[in-house]
Amino acid sequence: AQKVTQAQTEISVVEKEDVTLDCVYETRDTTYYLFWYKQPPSGELVFLIRRNSFDEQNEISGRYSWNFQKSTSSFNFTITASQVVDSAVYFCALSEASAGGGADGLTFGKGTHLIIQP
Amino acid sequence: NAGVTQTPKFRVLKTGQSMTLLCAQDMNHEYMYWYRQDPGMGLRLIHYSVGEGTTAKGEVPDGYNVSRLKKQNFLLGLESAAPSQTSVYFCASSFGVSVGRLRELFFGEGSRLTVL
Repeated sequence: AQKVTQAQTEISVVEKEDVTLDCVYETRDTTYYLFWYKQPPSGELVFLIRRNSFDEQNEISGRYSWNFQKSTSSFNFTITASQVVDSAVYFCALSEASAGGGADGLTFGKGTHLIIQP
Repeated sequence: NAGVTQTPKFRVLKTGQSMTLLCAQDMNHEYMYWYRQDPGMGLRLIHYSVGEGTTAKGEVPDGYNVSRLKKQNFLLGLESAAPSQTSVYFCASSFGVSVGRLRELFFGEGSRLTVL
């Protein structure tokens, strides 16, 4: 069965610090997809990134970067030079290719509450 | 630019009452989902649908029913609400399985339900 673990329940840093959110996943599939979503205080869920299991290249988008390592089953998310607007709950999620063709949605971790203090 | 729309946004029920949450999407998505979000639990899948007229159980289906009579709508029903169903409910939709549009879920804004 698929599982996503976000061990950090809450992280608090001072603005401009770098911060890394950890995500460890479990799956028996060789083909799977990993996601990060952001949930700001307003409550909506914002898609950040999708990565498939065949693409281990790290990705950078502005201050955001993602480190995918199949060897350790991790998909970590780093925010560089954090800002107060980054304060949110961040969810890591997994979808297995064999799971009904992905029809049964995503399995989410429990989320990491990131607090950026001014 | 509506995307996924949920109604109502807020609702307070008494134990034993029934209600229906409506989810509507205008992106012609095949797949639709209902999740619930509880503190410290992340999002858990209640029911999902892979197309009009089809539904399936997710991780936490007990106490809920769903229907997908039209492709664009996915209804979540509570026949006899219980305090344990106090939660924030999210509807989501996605394209069917096609390369290049794999499994990204588009979420509604959420519906906060309180059962007293």
